[in-house]
Amino acid sequence: QKEVEQDPGPLSVPEGAIVSLNCTYSNSAFQYFMWYRQYSRKGPELLMYTYSSGNKEDGRFTAQVDKSSKYISLFIRDSQPSDSATYLCAMKRPGNTPLVFGKGTRLSVIA
Amino acid sequence: DTAVSQTPKYLVTQMGNDKSIKCEQNLGHDTMYWYKQDSKKFLKIMFSYNNKELIINETVPNRFSPKSPDKAHLNLHINSLELGDSAVYFCASSQSRTGGYTFGSGTRLTVV
Repeated sequence: QKEVEQDPGPLSVPEGAIVSLNCTYSNSAFQYFMWYRQYSRKGPELLMYTYSSGNKEDGRFTAQVDKSSKYISLFIRDSQPSDSATYLCAMKRPGNTPLVFGKGTRLSVIA
Repeated sequence: DTAVSQTPKYLVTQMGNDKSIKCEQNLGHDTMYWYKQDSKKFLKIMFSYNNKELIINETVPNRFSPKSPDKAHLNLHINSLELGDSAVYFCASSQSRTGGYTFGSGTRLTVV
């Protein structure tokens, strides 16, 4: 079983839809949880950062972490064509350990 | 003003050659990383340096050698390039080992 599992999609939604992206993980030592957005031929860009469990909201984006279920989510409200990109979940244990990424979900928002 | 900059953006080279990729960050971060993104877009850690000290060295062929002359720079030298080395290599930096990472725009390496 991979440490971080993420459905690669592709996911196609109409403009204005609510998008739900998810990852599951197997290592209960993960404490730091992030979502990155990557446009084609660009580097990943940090969208959301959460420590331990709970919710975090930033504009149209909401990140949720459920450590008991080893499950994290990213919700995008009122999705826009400019949200079309690959979304990568990432997580990390404490200390000198690397950020471990999911494979990314490719999202297309159709106008 | 680019926060994490990598050069070159594109690199096409023949098998067996030696090449280097350079990375510089102007964010004042103390930790820098090299990641490899394969054709399926999977990002995998290669190396990490904290204040010029190597702290993460994943299972990477020893043809790959990182070098950090100072906190703001992390270079990657690759000897005897192979076809399987073709990928996009990303440099990233963070403040401390728990901060969010800032990525460069990547170096697309093609070995022919």
